Amino acid sequence: QKEVEQDPGPLSVPEGAIVSLNCTYSNSAFQYFMWYRQYSRKGPELLMYTYSSGNKEDGRFTAQVDKSSKYISLFIRDSQPSDSATYLCAMSGNGDYKLSFGAGTTVTVRA
Amino acid sequence: NAGVTQTPKFRILKIGQSMTLQCAQDMNHNYMYWYRQDPGMGLKLIYYSVGAGITDKGEVPNGYNVSRSTTEDFPLRLELAAPSQTSVYFCASSYSIQKGEAFFGQGTRLTVV
Repeated sequence: QKEVEQDPGPLSVPEGAIVSLNCTYSNSAFQYFMWYRQYSRKGPELLMYTYSSGNKEDGRFTAQVDKSSKYISLFIRDSQPSDSATYLCAMSGNGDYKLSFGAGTTVTVRA
Repeated sequence: NAGVTQTPKFRILKIGQSMTLQCAQDMNHNYMYWYRQDPGMGLKLIYYSVGAGITDKGEVPNGYNVSRSTTEDFPLRLELAAPSQTSVYFCASSYSIQKGEAFFGQGTRLTVV
């Protein structure tokens, strides 16, 4: 079993739709949860960061963490063609020197 | 405002050749990482470093070597290139991995033929 599971998709949605992405994990020591966005032929960049459980909102993006279920989500409201990218979840625990990444989900928003 | 700089951007190697992928960061980060990314497979950690003179293996270190003589530079060496090393390689650096602030370079696309 992989430490972090993420459905690679691909996911194709019409402009304006809500995009829902999620990851599950097995390591209960994870405390720090992130979503990275990676445009084609570019390096990943940090999109959202959440510590422990709860929700975090930033504009059209909402990140949710449910530690009891070992499940994290990213929602994109009013999706735009510019949101077309690969989204990778990542997480770490106290004392970790490295991030554990999901496989990434490729999202295409159709105009 | 350079951030993490990787060179070269593209390279084609013949089987058995060697090369060094360069990575430099100007943010004074202690933590540096090398990942490879294959289609649909996410990022696999090759090697990482927590400071100058300290390196450690990640998930897929075989066929690679690293050194960290300065805070700024973290080169990745491929010895005896094999087709299985065809991939996109990303270097990253971080001040605090717990805060998720890993900054990535633009990547090196390597093809071994």
